[in-house]
Amino acid sequence: DQQVKQNSPSLSVQEGRISILNCDYTNSMFDYFLWYKKYPAEGPTFLISISSIKDKNEDGRFTVFLNKSAKHLSLHIVPSQPGDSAVYFCAAKANQAGTALIFGKGTTLSVSS
Amino acid sequence: SAVISQKPSRDICQRGTSLTIQCQVDSQVTMMFWYRQQPGQSLTLIATANQGSEATYESGFVIDKFPISRPNLTFSTLTVSNMSPEDSSIYLCSVVSGALETQYFGPGTRLLVL
Repeated sequence: DQQVKQNSPSLSVQEGRISILNCDYTNSMFDYFLWYKKYPAEGPTFLISISSIKDKNEDGRFTVFLNKSAKHLSLHIVPSQPGDSAVYFCAAKANQAGTALIFGKGTTLSVSS
Repeated sequence: SAVISQKPSRDICQRGTSLTIQCQVDSQVTMMFWYRQQPGQSLTLIATANQGSEATYESGFVIDKFPISRPNLTFSTLTVSNMSPEDSSIYLCSVVSGALETQYFGPGTRLLVL
């Protein structure tokens, strides 16, 4: 049973436009959500996170939106750059001591110039 | 953020053999995890490496197949035992660090079993 779902395996966007990556979760105990970016042959790099007490968190070109009632979050990248091309993983956890992250399968973003 | 290194970065192994992967962190951390990413799949948690006690394994993973050591707060090893081609994967060490308890990852070990 997949608790974190990224239903779009890939997304193609033109440079300068907005990239929107989506993520759904099923476990209502999740209260902390993160996005990771992964280049080939590297480990995942932490990008941005959001706590369930917020509905939006912004960091430069990256904004994460959380809709708790829909159990849905999204990552917006504006403007998209070719260097953003990577696999993006959504992850979630229930904020208890010793709880590790549960990951989605990832969305491959391709930004063309 | 924590800086994590892993050795080896990649290896090609024969079936039936074992490989030990090392994870070194540049600061003391309480929580250390081992993940696996099989081709085209997500990151799957193998176990939580506990300092001073046995590792806690997730469903589907057992100590005999994936023994883990955690001798101190900056180091851990994962052994993939009696390997088969199905063990071909990227193995990732991860730690929790910082005030926000963000989880950081090492660069991964790419394992190919022939």
